[in-house]
Order: sequence, then structure tokens, then C-alpha cells
Amino acid sequence: GDSVTQMEGPVTLSEEAFLTINCTYTATGYPSLFWYVQYPGEGLQLLLKATKADDKGSNKGFEATYRKETTSFHLEKGSVQVSDSAVYFCALSEDAGNNRKLIWGLGTSLAVNP
Amino acid sequence: DTEVTQTPKHLVMGMTNKKSLKCEQHMGHRAMYWYKQKAKKPPELMFVYSYEKLSINESVPSRFSPECPNSSLLNLHLHALQPEDSALYLCASSQGQGVVEAFFGQGTRLTVV
Repeated sequence: GDSVTQMEGPVTLSEEAFLTINCTYTATGYPSLFWYVQYPGEGLQLLLKATKADDKGSNKGFEATYRKETTSFHLEKGSVQVSDSAVYFCALSEDAGNNRKLIWGLGTSLAVNP
Repeated sequence: DTEVTQTPKHLVMGMTNKKSLKCEQHMGHRAMYWYKQKAKKPPELMFVYSYEKLSINESVPSRFSPECPNSSLLNLHLHALQPEDSALYLCASSQGQGVVEAFFGQGTRLTVV
């Protein structure tokens, strides 16, 4: 079945450092790809998405490009802030017609120090 | 209005209690979801309602009973829970079940004592 693999955390960075969180996937169809963020004590928020190969999703300074050739959707940000400290989940939509479900990575915890 | 509202935010219940979690959205979404999330883990899908009909039940124990009274509301009725059911329960909605971009609520943190 479809699956998502994320780099293990926790990731600890200093403020203004460059961030990369790796995400690779396996899928039989043509999934959409997502990054969700969960701030401490809160629910999940959609951070960005890409629906087809070579699409770039971006939001709040974060970017990720849907790379079909490497089956990857790595999350990047040029300069992180303390407020970016959160858990980041990569996910794909399993292509099963009207019964699509989200397949989740295990999450990567990010801590940004001032 | 792009919010999914869940109540209560926190709930402590005994193993013999009956309680309900509530979820509401006013985005006109026709698919609604219940997820269970343990600390530092990804959310696990429990139930999916599409057009107010239960379309997916991920083999959830019968002590969890979902209900969708109308297109804006989703409930999760809880009865005879176990301590291992303590978790964050998340509600989400999407335009349709074939559209997987989901909007999540803040969750209900449930503790079973």
C-alpha cells in the first residue's frame, strides 16, 4: 500500500537557520501531497499542498516541490523563527476514487531556539 | 468562516461514564472525519461521513459511536471507555470525500480515569 517516510526528529535549530525536513513516499497512483503543522497543544493545520508532479506548494515562507522522479516532497524554509517550533507531518492522499484517505508520515518535531 | 469548532476542549471521564464530543463546521463541506491522535504520533482515522452517511469505519470498537445529525454537525458518543482511549480526538472536514484537503478542529483532549 501507499506510505510516507519522514526524517526522524527532533530537529533543533537556531533562529534564522535554514530548515529542511525530508519526506519521501510510495504510491501506486497519482497522489496529492501535503504538509500539515501541529503547534503545541493545538490541532492540525494545512501548511501547504501540491496536487501534481513539479507543483510547488508554499505558505508562510515554507516551500515543498512535488518530485515524481525522486518520489519526494521535502519541506524547506530559508530562515526559521522560534514561532515555527511545532510538529510537521507529511501526508499523501491515497488514490482510491471516492474513498480517498490521508496516509501520514510519523511526524518531525522541530524546536527553534532564540 | 474557515473553522472547525470542537467542544469540549478538555474532558475527563470515568470508565462507566457516557459522554459526547461535538464538532461543527459552516464551510458547506460534505465530508466529516473523526481522528484519534496519541502524543507525538500521527492522527489515526476512525470514521468518515460523506453526505451525512457513514462511509468508512476503521474497525473502531463499539464503545465509540459516531453520529452525523446534519451536514454541519458531527458527534462522537463515548461509553465504557478504557484508560488507553485517552488521546486527542480531532474532527476534520473537507469539501467532499474525494477532496482530501482537510480542515481540522483544535481537538478534544480526553482523559479516561
